[in-house]
Amino acid sequence: GENVEQHPSTLSVQEGDSAVIKCTYSDSASNYFPWYKQELGKGPQLIIDIRSNVGEKKDQRIAVTLNKTAKHFSLHITETQPEDSAVYFCAASKPGYQKVTFGTGTKLQVIP
Amino acid sequence: ETGVTQTPRHLVMGMTNKKSLKCEQHLGHNAMYWYKQSAKKPLELMFVYSLEERVENNSVPSRFSPECPNSSHLFLHLHTLQPEDSALYLCASSQDLTADGYTFGSGTRLTVV
Repeated sequence: GENVEQHPSTLSVQEGDSAVIKCTYSDSASNYFPWYKQELGKGPQLIIDIRSNVGEKKDQRIAVTLNKTAKHFSLHITETQPEDSAVYFCAASKPGYQKVTFGTGTKLQVIP
Repeated sequence: ETGVTQTPRHLVMGMTNKKSLKCEQHLGHNAMYWYKQSAKKPLELMFVYSLEERVENNSVPSRFSPECPNSSHLFLHLHTLQPEDSALYLCASSQDLTADGYTFGSGTRLTVV
């Protein structure tokens, strides 16, 4: 089955700096890669996703890049703010009905 | 609120108790899921329902029993749990089984004593 590895497990950055979280996946058939943000006391919320037919996608301060050859994808947050502090999960899934495989999460702390 | 509501938010139960977790969505989604979230582990899929029919039981012990009476409601019945079952239990929904994005509830924090 699919295996998704996520690094780092914790990340501290100064407010205004950039943060990068990386994930690798094992199954080359995976074609959809969402990122979820989980704030304290809440469930994960989808913040951005990318499909295997594109290499990069941006939405304001967040962007995701995908390298299909190397089977890795990354979340980039620029100009970080304290409200970006949360746990971020990457995930991978294959076409049709397939289980979504999640990474272990990255706890991001933005220091004011 | 995300559109997926879970109750209760917190639950403490003894190993001999019987309790139920409830999930409700009014997003018009046809697929609903139960996930278990433990510290430092990936989210673990427990059960999947599509149009009220269970399509996956991911090797979950029988002390967890799901119920989906209609496409808007999902329950997880708990009995004779173990301390290692303490975790955050998340409900999610999606438009259908092939839809990409999930909408999660805020979860029920379960502690088994």
